[in-house]
Amino acid sequence: DAGITQSPRHKVTETGTPVTLRCHQTENHRYMYWYRQDPGHGLRLIHYSYGVKDTDKGEVSDGYSVSRSKTEDFLLTLESATSSQTSVYFCAISRGLADNEQFFGPGTRLTVL
Amino acid sequence: GIQVEQSPPDLILQEGANSTLRCNFSDSVNNLQWFHQNPWGQLINLFYIPSGTKQNGRLSATTVATERYSLLYISSSQTTDSGVYFCAVNRDDKIIFGKGTRLHILP
Repeated sequence: DAGITQSPRHKVTETGTPVTLRCHQTENHRYMYWYRQDPGHGLRLIHYSYGVKDTDKGEVSDGYSVSRSKTEDFLLTLESATSSQTSVYFCAISRGLADNEQFFGPGTRLTVL
Repeated sequence: GIQVEQSPPDLILQEGANSTLRCNFSDSVNNLQWFHQNPWGQLINLFYIPSGTKQNGRLSATTVATERYSLLYISSSQTTDSGVYFCAVNRDDKIIFGKGTRLHILP
């Protein structure tokens, strides 16, 4: 168990509202990641972080921002949610360098009406 | 960018059967992982295998990095093996997932 929690686990919101998802880890790992999972696309990387205040974009970053002010927390924000952002969002951590093994949180199911 | 292809996309087997799942990737990678996503959506680590062969109980995996593929073997399938199997490769700090193989084991 890599000690990863996500909150909320489920959320329903309306188009145009801001949404923030939280990923929390208890083991002080350097790398953290946000993915979205959609039918027919598998998992796609949104953003990742390689340290406090150090983040970079993944392949589907448009419409999303991230912040990491503490080692243990990585926040994903949808500034103005759209229906195309309805998805399951997974957080992951890597215990060492970026090429080390990844472990995933339980996921957050987000529905944008 | 790097492409990851998994085959077959779907597989239905009787309990007790063996299966081989394949992951092809289009360029050299730093590492490769296999995951099982169970019917409740949880992603479970199976293997971290940039090259060589590993075994864990009824499951084993082989990665031939020079030929850009990896194989996941499941022997004596059980209904609890049902779900989606993903491979994921890492290159230049980016992780690319395949679209998965959906496995359904019939009792």
